[in-house]
Amino acid sequence: DTEVTQTPKHLVMGMTNKKSLKCEQHMGHRAMYWYKQKAKKPPELMFVYSYEKLSINESVPSRFSPECPNSSLLNLHLHALQPEDSALYLCASSPSRDREAFFGQGTRLTVV
Amino acid sequence: QQQVKQSPQSLIVQKGGISIINCAYENTAFDYFPWYQQFPGKGPALLIAIRPDVSEKKEGRFTISFNKSAKQFSLHIMDSQPGDSATYFCAASDSGDAGGTSYGKLTFGQGTILTVHP
Repeated sequence: DTEVTQTPKHLVMGMTNKKSLKCEQHMGHRAMYWYKQKAKKPPELMFVYSYEKLSINESVPSRFSPECPNSSLLNLHLHALQPEDSALYLCASSPSRDREAFFGQGTRLTVV
Repeated sequence: QQQVKQSPQSLIVQKGGISIINCAYENTAFDYFPWYQQFPGKGPALLIAIRPDVSEKKEGRFTISFNKSAKQFSLHIMDSQPGDSATYFCAASDSGDAGGTSYGKLTFGQGTILTVHP
């Protein structure tokens, strides 16, 4: 299995909702990432997990809360988002932080 | 210091032609340089990557050229095909000591929209 799987593919949520994005990989990768991508822009790093521990938080607002329950799973909990948070949210994994990152297909999030 | 500058923003090439995308970086701690290809609505896919101990790497129609002294690297797509039409991102990261501020972070260029006309 050489894929990073993200669910759901699309999500529409209101500003008062709580939702979660999920990411799964079974490649034995020990580094996992959340990126945010706006239209016609490059991905922006949000969080890095290394060996299930949060190692980088790029000053992301607290309405985004990451969680790494185990070495195969990565969640991003969303609460009280703003319309400007609408974007493609990408999960990635790599064998270690100094190796190539493999991206999932993303979750297209729309905040209304 | 963390920036990666990519050019051109957009590129139109005829089928069979050569597509060339250039990137420049400033952070001398960067030592891993991947290129990603992204189709609309999809996640970026790793295309090819290079480390600065080599000046060129080729995989099929895709070649990375790397100039360490100039802090520049480029992607060449030979015999470009309409199916190559996508957005291409260069990136860089630091694989040095764990204390490095960019360790584990991919810094992306702004992207190049490539259109290959049949």
